[in-house]
Amino acid sequence: QPALTQTRSVSGSPGQSVAISCTGSSTDVGTYKYVSWYQQHPGKAPKLMIFDVSSRPPGVPDRFSGSKSGNTASLTISGLQAEDEADYFCGSYAGSYTWVFGGGTKLTVL
Amino acid sequence: EVQLVESGGASVQSGGSLRLSCATSGFTFRDYWMHWVRQAPGKGPVWVGRIISDGSSATYVDSVKGRFTISRDNVKNTMYLQMNSLRPDDTAVYYCVRDSRYTPEAWGRGTQVLVSS
Repeated sequence: QPALTQTRSVSGSPGQSVAISCTGSSTDVGTYKYVSWYQQHPGKAPKLMIFDVSSRPPGVPDRFSGSKSGNTASLTISGLQAEDEADYFCGSYAGSYTWVFGGGTKLTVL
Repeated sequence: EVQLVESGGASVQSGGSLRLSCATSGFTFRDYWMHWVRQAPGKGPVWVGRIISDGSSATYVDSVKGRFTISRDNVKNTMYLQMNSLRPDDTAVYYCVRDSRYTPEAWGRGTQVLVSS
């Protein structure tokens, strides 16, 4: 059982917005700002999209945004594009130099 | 360009051992913490362990404690994962990941480990 809980799948049409949630606990997401989001296309390595809850690495479009409330973090993708279709998973620092990840959400662009 | 290249994955029997390597380039390896993360088919990633910059300390997920050991060679710019007493549920793609301020940031392409019973 993944430490962080994510919805198995979401979908949206091009141009629409979708939100993906990631629920943890007070020992990880709820306590630390070190929440990250990754995009993974089939057979590829994960790519960091969001770090520190809401920061974007260079080169990541501003269509991708992150937030957190309590023990739940969210990734919002606006202006959906076909190339956004991928698996997305969240990660969080969990204290004592350990980390946890979510089970992943499959995004389908209709 | 940051490059992380894993190797050493193979098919082994339950109870066997493997050593994975992660060769790095494009950044000052000795300045960074490094992680191993694994991902079983169709599943989310699972953090395996992390080693600090000078290699003097490592932390692990409970399921691998006492069986896996992470080490690094800051002259060869390479990280290792020694895996002993392998079990079928260790089957996964193993990724080498560079840390940046408590975030697993840059990922390699992974190496496949298959443990059969």
